[in-house]
Amino acid sequence: GQQLNQSPQSMFIQEGEDVSMNCTSSSIFNTWLWYKQDPGEGPVLLIALYKAGELTSNGRLTAQFGITRKDSFLNISASIPSDVGIYFCAGQPKMEYGNKLVFGAGTILRVKS
Amino acid sequence: DAGITQSPRHKVTETGTPVTLRCHQTENHRYMYWYRQDPGHGLRLIHYSYGVKDTDKGEVSDGYSVSRSKTEDFLLTLESATSSQTSVYFCAISEAGRGDTEAFFGQGTRLTVV
Repeated sequence: GQQLNQSPQSMFIQEGEDVSMNCTSSSIFNTWLWYKQDPGEGPVLLIALYKAGELTSNGRLTAQFGITRKDSFLNISASIPSDVGIYFCAGQPKMEYGNKLVFGAGTILRVKS
Repeated sequence: DAGITQSPRHKVTETGTPVTLRCHQTENHRYMYWYRQDPGHGLRLIHYSYGVKDTDKGEVSDGYSVSRSKTEDFLLTLESATSSQTSVYFCAISEAGRGDTEAFFGQGTRLTVV
């Protein structure tokens, strides 16, 4: 099936630092979504992207739909402790129908002690 | 928060027993999904529904069946649970239209098969 490669797998953040993560695929996607999951909870939608090249912000979060339609990135600026959690990218492959999403394996954000 | 309720939230069951997980939504959304989450795999689609009595298989459907007799309820059944089905199960919903891929998730059901 379709696969999304999400990187990094995990990272440590220090308060105030900027954070970047990305997702790549070998095939074209129509839609890119970014979710965050807190422990014991379901994923929560952060940003949705629908057009190649689209750059969208949600507070300190910025995400872009890659121009090739095969990648997306998420940036978090000036990180704070509550940013820790698991971040998932998700996309709808071009040839899929029925609104099925493919998810990356996730990026775990932890606090540097 | 999207009005999605999953039940039960936690379940321990024995190998070979049938198990049914329930997802109930109050949003009247057309599409409903069942995913499983396992370390290193992200979320993988088991089955989904695009309307009452209209369902289709996802990436990891073997060993699972679903039913949707009402817009608001989507049931996931493990006919004969196996240890490989120990996982966290999430229900999600989305609405028809431009944002129809914007899935909103329930809080999950942690299933342990012993």
